[in-house]
Amino acid sequence: DVKVTQSSRYLVKRTGEKVFLECVQDMDHENMFWYRQDPGLGLRLIYFSYDVKMKEKGDIPEGYSVSREKKERFSLILESASTNQTSMYLCASRRDSVGTFGSGTRLTVV
Amino acid sequence: GENVEQHPSTLSVQEGDSAVIKCTYSDSASNYFPWYKQELGKGPQLIIDIRSNVGEKKDQRIAVTLNKTAKHFSLHITETQPEDSAVYFCAGYTGRRALTFGSGTRLQVQP
Repeated sequence: DVKVTQSSRYLVKRTGEKVFLECVQDMDHENMFWYRQDPGLGLRLIYFSYDVKMKEKGDIPEGYSVSREKKERFSLILESASTNQTSMYLCASRRDSVGTFGSGTRLTVV
Repeated sequence: GENVEQHPSTLSVQEGDSAVIKCTYSDSASNYFPWYKQELGKGPQLIIDIRSNVGEKKDQRIAVTLNKTAKHFSLHITETQPEDSAVYFCAGYTGRRALTFGSGTRLQVQP
């Protein structure tokens, strides 16, 4: 089975900090994604990557950036964390149309 | 872009009853419709999916139906059990970009 691992389950950061969320997949998938999950809003796409060093903006990229230096790793970066970025962050990887999610990182910005 | 709407947002049923969750999509180019189940503290997991060349698909107690003309698809769970309690997400995919998700349905199965 594909495994998508997010490095942290819970994070608490201060406003203005630079925050790195890490995601690693073990099945050589080309496509990787970062979603944000908020109650009543479902999963919203922040950024995705279809190859190493390639990235595309999703629906809500403001305040975020990403890095994909290796195929298996996709990092989400909050350049200057703000309280409205408190959320659950989900990483996914995919080959073709089927996606596999990590367990999520619940980030609280105080 | 694609827009997926999901109803209801919450659903409570008695154990043994059926549950139905409905989604509509906007982009007629969408050709793949997965359903994910998210249990507390876990990431979403794929439970069933359907492609646009099929009208219905079943897997034991769960089934999905697709009406391409009306642009809607539904998840049906029969003989519900307490372990079916979770948040369910539908999604649509056009073959471009990424999956577009509905807003989720919290299903509570009362023992």
